[in-house]
Amino acid sequence: EDQVTQSPEALRLQEGESSSLNCSYTVSGLRGLFWYRQDPGKGPEFLFTLYSAGEEKEKERLKATLTKKESFLHITAPKPEDSATYLCAVQEAGGFKTIFGAGTRLFVKA
Amino acid sequence: DTGVSQDPRHKITKRGQNVTFRCDPISEHNRLYWYRQTLGQGPEFLTYFQNEAQLEKSRLLSDRFSAERPKGSFSTLEIQRTEQGDSAMYLCASSQSTKGLAGGPGGGYNEQFFGPGTRLTVL
Repeated sequence: EDQVTQSPEALRLQEGESSSLNCSYTVSGLRGLFWYRQDPGKGPEFLFTLYSAGEEKEKERLKATLTKKESFLHITAPKPEDSATYLCAVQEAGGFKTIFGAGTRLFVKA
Repeated sequence: DTGVSQDPRHKITKRGQNVTFRCDPISEHNRLYWYRQTLGQGPEFLTYFQNEAQLEKSRLLSDRFSAERPKGSFSTLEIQRTEQGDSAMYLCASSQSTKGLAGGPGGGYNEQFFGPGTRLTVL
């Protein structure tokens, strides 16, 4: 059965302190891996799609990478406004059912 | 507005009542998804449509849940005989199945864009 595990569950950083979030996945064949940001009380906001191992995507202070078993979301010099829950999701090849992880709650202190 | 909209934003009901939620996707998107999210968890897949066809439904989904997308545009999610365990945020998302213009809602391949959600409280 498809599984997505995110770690850590919560991460507290000082402003400017770079770090990485992990997403481990188990799927028969990967159609795509997605990263989303979610603020409290709101729907998830799309960040990145990764399709194949070795692929990387960047947006402002965020960089997502993908291997055959996991993905990392690297946050460089975070700011307080980066505080949110970051969700990882996968779609298996052959369908469009999307499985989300439980998320990593990021807190960035000024 | 080019985003996904959901109505109502909040719903309070008594146990045993039926409720219906509506989702209006981004206009050019042909796929529509429903999810349920509880506090501290990621969205849980419920079902998805491609145009008007419901192509997959979660095995965990009770028979009390039904979704429709009659004309391939908006969708409704109905919960019959609500239970307290149904209390959650119900999220709708849409995506398109072909490459579009880069950037912005509706651009790109298969990215899902979410609405603000409907928060259901069952008393």
